[in-house]
Order: sequence, then structure tokens, then C-alpha cells
Amino acid sequence: SAVISQKPSRDICQRGTSLTIQCQVDSQVTMMFWYRQQPGQSLTLIATANQGSEATYESGFVIDKFPISRPNLTFSTLTVSNMSPEDSSIYLCSVEVEGQRAYEQYFGPGTRLTVT
Amino acid sequence: RKEVEQDPGPFNVPEGATVAFNCTYSNSASQSFFWYRQDCRKEPKLLMSVYSSGNEDGRFTAQLNRASQYISLLIRDSKLSDSATYLCAVSGSQGNLIFGKGTKLSVKP
Repeated sequence: SAVISQKPSRDICQRGTSLTIQCQVDSQVTMMFWYRQQPGQSLTLIATANQGSEATYESGFVIDKFPISRPNLTFSTLTVSNMSPEDSSIYLCSVEVEGQRAYEQYFGPGTRLTVT
Repeated sequence: RKEVEQDPGPFNVPEGATVAFNCTYSNSASQSFFWYRQDCRKEPKLLMSVYSSGNEDGRFTAQLNRASQYISLLIRDSKLSDSATYLCAVSGSQGNLIFGKGTKLSVKP
């Protein structure tokens, strides 16, 4: 498995501002992912962040709104830009590590964002 | 058809009961399958990977049926501490996971 931390754990932000969420893992990993989980919903992938390349965004998510950095194999950031109340959600990073028979994903504790 | 579908529940069962969850997926090319457990206001935690031959971990048994494109999770001798939402997840084309909406389980004394 992997030990993953996220900062901040929660924040309340005003609309129009931006928030950068940090994700730190205790080992070097190639694949890191950013998900969003809105209240009462399941997880939706925002983007895949691989070190040394541009992040790959899912349909409905764009780089201008959710810029991502991946400077090394243990760290990534997700910025939620020009926030609106619709961005209120839990943002989770995950990493892929090799399991016994398959690659497995482990999640950070999440960042609970409220936009007022 | 949604990519990954689960019965949302809730499943309300007494302690000691056996409960089964099913999950169907639409992409026949998916290669990896998982069950996650998510407690209220917490992140999903990997419960089990699901292998073609089926696998068991204590009271938990997971099975995969590729022909019918569904996976299942069986929990025997339910404990109060098993109360949570159970998410099935299927691998996507980018190495990401596609999640179902989850099945809520409530185990009562």
C-alpha cells in the first residue's frame, strides 16, 4: 500500500478565489490521480497526473479550471481556480501501486472544499 | 447504460447475517476489478481486488463473472463495524478507476 497525505484537509473559500491542494505520498509512484466526490455521489476522475508529462483531463474538466502540477514522483498539486459554489466537493488524490497480482489504487484522506 | 452500476441500497441486516452485493460494468475490455469500503466522511479504502478465479479474505468473498460482466461481494457473519458504503470499481483506459455509486450497508444489533 502507500501512505498519502493531503493539505488542506478542509477549507471554506469565497467564490472567485483559487485553492491549491497538495498530495504527498511516502514512496515514488508513477501514476497519480485526482478525483472529485460531490455530496451523495460517487467518485469522478478529474485528471491523471504523471511525472514529466502534461496531465490528462477527463471530459468536462479543463486545465484552466483545474491546473495540476507533478514535479516529482512523490508529490502533486491540484488547483481549483475561480471557484464557484458548484465546486464544493471533496477532492481526493490517489496513487497506483503494484499489488500481489494487480496494480491497486490507494486514496488520500481528501480535501473538503466549501465555496460560499 | 452506466459504466458501473450498483444497487444503492440501503441494505439493513442484523448482526451475523450474510449479505451480497452485485455490481455490473459495461466495458468488456476492463481488466481490473476492486471493492472499496467508504465510511462516512472518509476516503475509500481498498477492501479487495477481484480476480477471475474468485478470492476470499476472512469473511469476505469476491467473485468476477466476465461473461455476464458483473462482480460480487459476499460478507458472512456481518459485524456492526461492517456498516459502510461499498463501492465497486473497474479499471478504465487511462489506468484510472471507474466507480459505482456505492451500496450502503447498515448492520443492526
